[in-house]
Amino acid sequence: KQEVTQIPAALSVPEGENLVLNCSFTDSAIYNLQWFRQDPGKGLTSLLLIQSSQREQTSGRLNASLDKSSGRSTLYIAASQPGDSATYLCAGRSGAAGNKLTFGGGTRVLVKP
Amino acid sequence: EPEVTQTPSHQVTQMGQEVILRCVPISNHLYFYWYRQILGQKVEFLVSFYNNEISEKSEIFDDQFSVERPDGSNFTLKIRSTKLEDSAMYFCASRIPGRQETQYFGPGTRLLVL
Repeated sequence: KQEVTQIPAALSVPEGENLVLNCSFTDSAIYNLQWFRQDPGKGLTSLLLIQSSQREQTSGRLNASLDKSSGRSTLYIAASQPGDSATYLCAGRSGAAGNKLTFGGGTRVLVKP
Repeated sequence: EPEVTQTPSHQVTQMGQEVILRCVPISNHLYFYWYRQILGQKVEFLVSFYNNEISEKSEIFDDQFSVERPDGSNFTLKIRSTKLEDSAMYFCASRIPGRQETQYFGPGTRLLVL
């Protein structure tokens, strides 16, 4: 059974600093790993999907890495801005028939101006 | 850009009542999902649906829950007799076929059972 963990649960940084968000998973046979952003009381916005065959995926200031052997993914956000304040969730997609996502608990980020 | 839509955005109901949550997935998507998030907890998988049948369901998805695709565009989640612990944000998601495809989520329906 896939378990996904995100540490720390919360993070506060000054504006301009780079953010490093960690995600670990127990089942290395994932198909892919998705990173999401969630604003308070809102839905999930997909940021990046990194495939099981990839080691990195980039979109603008965001870069996600995946190391299946160690069961880890990292989301890097360069030059953080107050608008980056949100909860960031990672989710691994399993190999079962429906290919469900298993979510971590999220890291709540506050970027201080 | 196409998006998943959900209605209503908020629903308040009395314990024991039936509720139907509605979703319109992205038009060319074939896999559909329901997830829920109890306040302060992780997003949890409920059910996946493909080719007009359930392909996987979690232990949460008991006989009180059902899903349906009544026409070519809507995907619904019915809770037959709501309980207090069903209070949560319910998210619909969809994707196109393929192992490496992104799941796109709707904005959610916040359900409050009193």
